[in-house]
Amino acid sequence: QKEVEQNSGPLSVPEGAIASLNCTYSDRGSQSFFWYRQYSGKSPELIMSIYSNGDKEDGRFTAQLNKASQYVSLLIRDSQPSDSATYLCAVNPLRGNTPLVFGKGTRLSVIA
Amino acid sequence: GAGVSQSPSNKVTEKGKDVELRCDPISGHTALYWYRQSLGQGLEFLIYFQGNSAPDKSGLPSDRFSAERTGGSVSTLTIQRTQQEDSAVYLCASSSIDTQYFGPGTRLTVL
Repeated sequence: QKEVEQNSGPLSVPEGAIASLNCTYSDRGSQSFFWYRQYSGKSPELIMSIYSNGDKEDGRFTAQLNKASQYVSLLIRDSQPSDSATYLCAVNPLRGNTPLVFGKGTRLSVIA
Repeated sequence: GAGVSQSPSNKVTEKGKDVELRCDPISGHTALYWYRQSLGQGLEFLIYFQGNSAPDKSGLPSDRFSAERTGGSVSTLTIQRTQQEDSAVYLCASSSIDTQYFGPGTRLTVL
């Protein structure tokens, strides 16, 4: 059973702080990793993808991958109230076009 | 370009009726996925298509659920004899390599 685990939260951070969201996955052979943001009542929106160990930065977002520890994280710098949402970690256990395995998501609340 | 579209956006039906949900993927995307999200829950995989073929139907909850894809484009998810536990948001996604982009979803309510 391929699993992706996330702390459900809520994670509350003050405006301007760094929010750190974490995810672990069970399938050591997993190939690609994604973070989606989902606002209440909306569908998931892709934020970042990461494929190799290390950090990947895109604006205020940094994804970090450690395949040895089966761990992927998302850092949000200078958090804004508009970042308040549920963040879904998703893992592709195979290569190419195959279904993703999703975590249940971490709810982030950025307090102004 | 245009994203994934789904119709209807909302569907209210009576228990026992059949419903059809439609997904129009991003042009050129070969893979299409159906997921379901119940209130406050995570995403549940239902079925995916590579072209018009469905390599993995393992997530379909029962034989009341079926899906097809024609012309490598539009897909229809059909739920027969709907039950109240079928109430959820049904999400469609498409991908060309491995990055999936979601449509806005269809909110299904079974009374």
